[in-house]
Amino acid sequence: QLQLQESGPGLVKPSETLSLTCTVSGGSININEYYWAWIRQPPGKGLEWIGTVYYTGSTYYNPSLKSRLTMSVDSSKNQFSLRLGFVTAADTAVYYCAGHTPTIRMIDSWGQGTLVTVSS
Amino acid sequence: QSALTQPRSVSGSPGQSVTISCTGTSSDVGAYNLVSWFQQYPGKVPKLIIYGVDERPSGIPDRFSGSKSGNTASLTISGLQAEDEADYYCCSYAGNYIHVVFGGGTKLTVL
Repeated sequence: QLQLQESGPGLVKPSETLSLTCTVSGGSININEYYWAWIRQPPGKGLEWIGTVYYTGSTYYNPSLKSRLTMSVDSSKNQFSLRLGFVTAADTAVYYCAGHTPTIRMIDSWGQGTLVTVSS
Repeated sequence: QSALTQPRSVSGSPGQSVTISCTGTSSDVGAYNLVSWFQQYPGKVPKLIIYGVDERPSGIPDRFSGSKSGNTASLTISGLQAEDEADYYCCSYAGNYIHVVFGGGTKLTVL
């Protein structure tokens, strides 16, 4: 049973970069045919897919965030990470890391989520 | 505005059935049998209850069922129970560029 845990600052200033890390335990991040994603949920609102990274480093980004987004994998630490630049208040949300099968057929592993607030 | 359209709220009495719709386009819901549904309680992590349009992960009661017709997917909950009161989200694969889209969520109230 995979376990995922997000970590990172809970407060980020406007125009700065939001950085989060997800640590995977209970299995290797180098799983064939299994992908790692970030999904966010603004307070009181719905879910939004941010992007997906494969252990090889291949990435798939939400087109609306692509210009500000970088995702990567650190296999030595069994972690994957998110960097979102030039943040505004609209980026305030609970950020979840998650794992899923190809073509998002099953998003079956989730972290507990971490609230990131963008405010000066 | 979400890519997939869900009703904001639905309600039903215990024992009844309710259906939540999820309308997309021929580029997402209509193009792939890759619709998922998630149940989320306030302040909790979303839980996968349906994947691949109509398949249930282990441990999910068969009171939960999914279907699809054209560009609209549906989640039906039969034999409503008080514990089913939650928010429900649909999700679909949308191809190599957009990749993943979610619905805006539906709040289910058990009367």
